[in-house]
Amino acid sequence: KQEVTQIPAALSVPEGENLVLNCSFTDSAIYNLQWFRQDPGKGLTSLLLIQSSQREQTSGRLNASLDKSSGRSTLYIAASQPGDSATYLCAVRPAGGSYIPTFGRGTSLIVHP
Amino acid sequence: GAGVSQSPSNKVTEKGKDVELRCDPISGHTALYWYRQSLGQGLEFLIYFQGNSAPDKSGLPSDRFSAERTGGSVSTLTIQRTQQEDSAVYLCASSQVTDTQYFGPGTRLTVL
Repeated sequence: KQEVTQIPAALSVPEGENLVLNCSFTDSAIYNLQWFRQDPGKGLTSLLLIQSSQREQTSGRLNASLDKSSGRSTLYIAASQPGDSATYLCAVRPAGGSYIPTFGRGTSLIVHP
Repeated sequence: GAGVSQSPSNKVTEKGKDVELRCDPISGHTALYWYRQSLGQGLEFLIYFQGNSAPDKSGLPSDRFSAERTGGSVSTLTIQRTQQEDSAVYLCASSQVTDTQYFGPGTRLTVL
């Protein structure tokens, strides 16, 4: 059974810092991995989707990398801003025909001015 | 176009009552998921619909939970004889099968 772990569970940083959020998974047989953000009281917003054949994806100040063999993905946020404050979740979709993703519990990020 | 919508946004009910939660997916998306998010917990998968195929109900926690998807579009999640432990945020997502999942804003269910 796939297990997805996100470290750290919470993070507080001053504005302007570059930061890295980690997502690890136990079964490397994945189809894709997706990063989301969730603002308090809201649904999830997709940030980046990395297919299993890809190594990284970039969108603006966000860069997500994937290392299937080691079971890890990182989300890099450059020049963090208070508006980046949210919970960040990763979700791993398995290879082999199942379309049910496994979610991590998320990293709660606070960027203070 | 419009995103995924869910209604109601909040629902307060008494223990033992039945509730219906609605999800309108993005037009053209063939896949639809229901999840539950309890305070301090991760997302718990409930049920998955794909086109006209039989739904994957493997995540439904008990037979009090059921869902249907009419005409390959709108979906309704029904919880019968609600219990206090059913209190949670219920999230719906849609996608093009193996593509990006798009989530609705959720329905916050409180069972008194």
